Amino acid sequence: QSVLTQPPSVSGAPGQRVTISCTGSTSNIGANYDVHWYQHFPGTAPKLVIYGNNNRPSGVPDRIAASKSGTSASLTITGLLAEDEADYYCQSYDTGLSGSWVFGGGTKLTVL
Amino acid sequence: QVQLQEPGPRLVKPSETLSLTCTVSGGPVRSGSYYWSWIRQPPGKGLEWIGYIYSSGNTNYYPSLRSRVIISLDSSKNQFSLNVRSVTTADTAVYFCARGVLDCRPTGCFEYIEYWAQGTLVTVSS
Repeated sequence: QSVLTQPPSVSGAPGQRVTISCTGSTSNIGANYDVHWYQHFPGTAPKLVIYGNNNRPSGVPDRIAASKSGTSASLTITGLLAEDEADYYCQSYDTGLSGSWVFGGGTKLTVL
Repeated sequence: QVQLQEPGPRLVKPSETLSLTCTVSGGPVRSGSYYWSWIRQPPGKGLEWIGYIYSSGNTNYYPSLRSRVIISLDSSKNQFSLNVRSVTTADTAVYFCARGVLDCRPTGCFEYIEYWAQGTLVTVSS
């Protein structure tokens, strides 16, 4: 069981908007630690798509955005494309585990 | 451009030690504010952080693995390594090596993973 909780799956039609939630606690997200998001196509190297809660690395389209509030964070993809179909993971830092990086369980995004 | 390269698939027997090495190109492992990390993904499950070694040599491990894991740096070969002793079938996973960074900007400092290797499957089986 992951320290950060994500829905196992979300789906949307091309052009639509989807949101993936990441729920933590007062020892991680709620303690004001940053949340980062990674996109993963199975069999390949994961890719950073959001760092520091809402910052996009160079090359990541502005269709991908994120936010954080309280003990939760969310990733939103607008104008859904077939190429967005992948697994998405949130990641933060947790003080309750002697200072450890923690991941969410991952969310499979399906483009219908 | 930084690249991280892992070996091919491995088969390890239960109770033995799993050893993996990640070769880094595009920058020395002993310089900068980097966290040389290992993450794994058991079959059908999500990502699990194992630990990291900072460029200075300090280490940090996930608590449930701390008693069995050692991560080390070899600056002469520009590599970093993972050793997990006394493995069981629960250690079967795709293992990723990665580079985390401490990125300080006017808006604050962020720790995140900026480069990943493709991952290598380690199977624990007799």
